[in-house]
Amino acid sequence: QKEVEQDPGPLSVPEGAIVSLNCTYSNSAFQYFMWYRQYSRKGPELLMYTYSSGNKEDGRFTAQVDKSSKYISLFIRDSQPSDSATYLCAMRYGNKLVFGAGTILRVKS
Amino acid sequence: ETGVTQTPRHLVMGMTNKKSLKCEQHLGHNAMYWYKQSAKKPLELMFVYSLEERVENNSVPSRFSPECPNSSHLFLHLHTLQPEDSALYLCASSQVWTSDTDTQYFGPGTRLTVL
Repeated sequence: QKEVEQDPGPLSVPEGAIVSLNCTYSNSAFQYFMWYRQYSRKGPELLMYTYSSGNKEDGRFTAQVDKSSKYISLFIRDSQPSDSATYLCAMRYGNKLVFGAGTILRVKS
Repeated sequence: ETGVTQTPRHLVMGMTNKKSLKCEQHLGHNAMYWYKQSAKKPLELMFVYSLEERVENNSVPSRFSPECPNSSHLFLHLHTLQPEDSALYLCASSQVWTSDTDTQYFGPGTRLTVL
């Protein structure tokens, strides 16, 4: 079983839709949870960073962590074509940082 | 230049060639990383350098040889590669690799194709 599971997609949505991206994990030791966005021909950039369970909001983005279910989500409201990218979840305890495989998101205008 | 830069951006090499990838960070960080990114697979951590010392080497074949001459520069020397080594090679840097809240900043990557 992989430590972090993420559906590779692609996920295609119309402009203005609410997008839900998800990851599940198996190691309960993970304490810090991140979402990275990677545009084509670019490196990943940190989008959201959360600690433990709960929600964190930043503009149109909301990160949600449910440690009891070992499940994290990223919600994007009012999605835009510029949100089209690969979204990678990542999680960490101590020195160990583990990434998901990434979900390709396409927002169509 | 700002952030993390990588050169070359694209590289095509034969299996018998020797080439090097270069990474430079302009963020004043103390840790640098090499990752391999293959299609539909998670990022694979290859090497970690902290204060110019290699602190992690994740069972990477010896045909990949890292070098960190100072805290701003990181190289990945390549020789006798295999076609399955074709991938995007990403460099990253961070302030303190042992900190739980440490954040890694990535370069744009080198797209490597091995013929």
